[in-house]
Amino acid sequence: QSALTQPPSASGSPGQSVAISCTGTSSDVGGYNTVSWYQQYPGEAPKLIIYEVSKRPSGVPNRFSGSKSDNTASLTVSGLQAEDEADYYCSSYAGSNNYVFGSGTQVTVL
Amino acid sequence: EVQLVESGGGLVQPGGSLRLACAASASIFNGYRMSWVRQAPGKGLEWVADINFDGSEKKYVESVKGRFTVSRDNAKKSLLLQMDSLRAEDTAIYYCARGSQSAFDTWGQGTMVTVSS
Repeated sequence: QSALTQPPSASGSPGQSVAISCTGTSSDVGGYNTVSWYQQYPGEAPKLIIYEVSKRPSGVPNRFSGSKSDNTASLTVSGLQAEDEADYYCSSYAGSNNYVFGSGTQVTVL
Repeated sequence: EVQLVESGGGLVQPGGSLRLACAASASIFNGYRMSWVRQAPGKGLEWVADINFDGSEKKYVESVKGRFTVSRDNAKKSLLLQMDSLRAEDTAIYYCARGSQSAFDTWGQGTMVTVSS
């Protein structure tokens, strides 16, 4: 099972939007509506911010949104804030109780 | 609040063994699938193993099959990972995570495993 493909880095100025792509195959991202996204600060555990492609857990700001088209999912952070500077990982169910993560994207707030 | 606390990490020589444990703080451990996810130093997340609510179904990433064994004790609200024949490439922070097909919604703080001579 290969890792999902994410851009290594993304950046934006405060108030702007940044979008992160997550590309897989028809066996994972394209085959299930179970893409999730995680935010991770240095030295901390990941935190779930999007599940089932576009749903936000309680407490996650609505600045975070998710979508999917065919084998590519996307996370958009609108109204970028300094606290959004972190690493972001996508993940997808890959069938038969297997899971795959993305390669990770480091978001920088300029 | 649901909390997961890992323990058991440390330094081990190549070919050695370690047993990781993850203790859950709430009764909602029972009835949920649980996973182990690892992160090598400076690298991304990698799903390692999954176990269903009663331990009857287990899945592993290809690179640990035959070497790692995931198990759970629902009475003690504990998730375990027995790691044998450890290799340098197993060096990572190991997180336990509560999850389902939808997402891993709760994570522990992780425990560091270093495989080195």
